[in-house]
Parts: sequence; C-alpha cells; structure tokens
Amino acid sequence: QQPVQSPQAVILREGEDAVINCSSSKALYSVHWYRQKHGEAPVFLMILLKGGEQKGHDKISASFNEKKQQSSLYLTASQLSYSGTYFCGTGTDSWGKLQFGAGTQVVVTP
Amino acid sequence: EPEVTQTPSHQVTQMGQEVILRCVPISNHLYFYWYRQILGQKVEFLVSFYNNEISEKSEIFDDQFSVERPDGSNFTLKIRSTKLEDSAMYFCASSPRDRGTDTQYFGPGTRLTVL
Repeated sequence: QQPVQSPQAVILREGEDAVINCSSSKALYSVHWYRQKHGEAPVFLMILLKGGEQKGHDKISASFNEKKQQSSLYLTASQLSYSGTYFCGTGTDSWGKLQFGAGTQVVVTP
Repeated sequence: EPEVTQTPSHQVTQMGQEVILRCVPISNHLYFYWYRQILGQKVEFLVSFYNNEISEKSEIFDDQFSVERPDGSNFTLKIRSTKLEDSAMYFCASSPRDRGTDTQYFGPGTRLTVL
C-alpha cells in the first residue's frame, strides 16, 4: 500500500518554511526521503528508522512518528535549490523494497 | 564519487518488441532494484535482486519482465514484448545492503518510449 503525501504542491518564497507529510496505513520500519528535479533521478536525502528519530541535512530535517505511522519533512529557510518534487519511500520491514508516495512538488521563488 | 549508470538514456521501440535496459550498479553494492516512473506519476517498485536471484517483485513485474546479472558488473531488465503502457522512465538502484536502514542510490534512468 503506497503512502499518502500532503500537500500535493507548495509554493514558497525564498527563506520561508514548509512541511511535507507522509502517512501510511501500515506499520513502518523505515522512511526514506528523496528529492527529484525535473528529468533527473531521485536523489537521496535521508532515512529515518522506527524509534521516532529526527534527522537533519543542511536546513532540511525530518521526523518519524512510529505510532502515527507518519513522517514529516521540514524545509527551513528554503533556498531556490530546494525546488523539486519530494517523495517519501516507505519500508514496512527490514528489507529494501520501498513504496513511494505520489510526491509533493515544491517551488521556491525569489 | 561512485554512481549508478544506466544505458541507454532513451530507448524508442515498437510495440511487441523486446528491449533490454542496462545498469551498472556501484561496484561494492550487493542489492539491486528496478523502479519505474510513468510520466508525472510516482516511482513504482518493480523488483529487487540479490545473490543472483529475485528477492521480491511487485504485481507489475509479470512474465514479460525478467532481470539478470550476466557478469560481475551489469544488471539488466528485459521486457519481452513491450506494450504501450510500458512507456516510462526506468530507474536502477543499488544498495550496499538490502536493509531498510540503507540508502538506495538511483541511476539517471532510461526513458522507454513504446510506439
């Protein structure tokens, strides 16, 4: 079952913040976040494991709420380079198969 | 930095023809994946491969699809008789370990167009 992402799209001015959510109806073992720019391959951002940890990468961070079966990606003080489509990929066990959400398109304007 | 490579970058074929998409995973990786992405849609898992055999496959990966690691470096996806709905971007990914804890590194993709 694929995870559900929200919102579908968000438009930001440079420097603004945004939150992208990823929810699953199944218990999650891991959540992987990727960013994909138009016509390019998905680029790995970070992995979160069950245990409710939070991770950060530059001004992009994420949390994982195992009980709610939900992960959130936080874009802080957004930069133009943050534009792209963000996908969450969820793993329901310790093996590698990922189910991806439909993506959230982020547009950062000057 | 090592990266996953894929060839060709774009393949155009006639419906019913066989295509082989090629991938060279990162050299010390052990687990390999194929995903596809229909234009404007989400990335979909097709198959995972380890130790010369399929470890998991999705409903999409029917008898028309097969994967092979013919030598120590290449990993191929074959579609025996292509359909129009097979048109998509196909991504190969590799990982050091087949664990939810590990990053899957994606190649640049092969755009398959079936006419």
